[in-house]
Amino acid sequence: DTGVSQNPRHKITKRGQNVTFRCDPISEHNRLYWYRQTLGQGPEFLTYFQNEAQLEKSRLLSDRFSAERPKGSFSTLEIQRTEQGDSAMYLCASSLRRASWGTGELFFGEGSRLTVL
Amino acid sequence: KNEVEQSPQNLTAQEGEFITINCSYSVGISALHWLQQHPGGGIVSLFMLSSGKKKHGRLIATINIQEKHSSLHITASHPRDSAVYICAVYNTDKLIFGTGTRLQVFP
Repeated sequence: DTGVSQNPRHKITKRGQNVTFRCDPISEHNRLYWYRQTLGQGPEFLTYFQNEAQLEKSRLLSDRFSAERPKGSFSTLEIQRTEQGDSAMYLCASSLRRASWGTGELFFGEGSRLTVL
Repeated sequence: KNEVEQSPQNLTAQEGEFITINCSYSVGISALHWLQQHPGGGIVSLFMLSSGKKKHGRLIATINIQEKHSSLHITASHPRDSAVYICAVYNTDKLIFGTGTRLQVFP
């Protein structure tokens, strides 16, 4: 399977615990995005990377959230001291951006669903 | 007010009906995506367009940049088309999503 892969698919944790999600994008894609989606809502932008550089972070991304893409390939999203309000689907997407024609089509992973008890 | 608005929020149809979902946006964009999300979360890109019209099978997407409006049409709808359809626009390299249109097609 050469699509975007996310794991774990589902994580249940107790309030106050730390969780980490991983995203493996399509191999040649230089752009990687993280989104969060709560029930009945469209996805909300969290952050994105161009290769290993984190180019933008949303105001939604509090100090408890950190994302990395150390080698410009896979990315991790860590949430420290989880709160019940963090319960959501965390979506990763990747795309290929070329200076000559901008950002290409976006490919999404299946998402990682977080439930904080 | 959301930067990307979709209508209707919910839509039910009988199999075979022609369906239209609308998307209006208030920001400058470089491109617009129509996405399909099935229960369980997976999102699939249906179209990415920046002008005119695209067609893929029974799906047609149009965009009017001047009016900041796009439509997604489904001809001869089928129960397997039941999903949430999301409009998303590229604004300064990130996607801004609408809240989606939940479509149910009954046999």
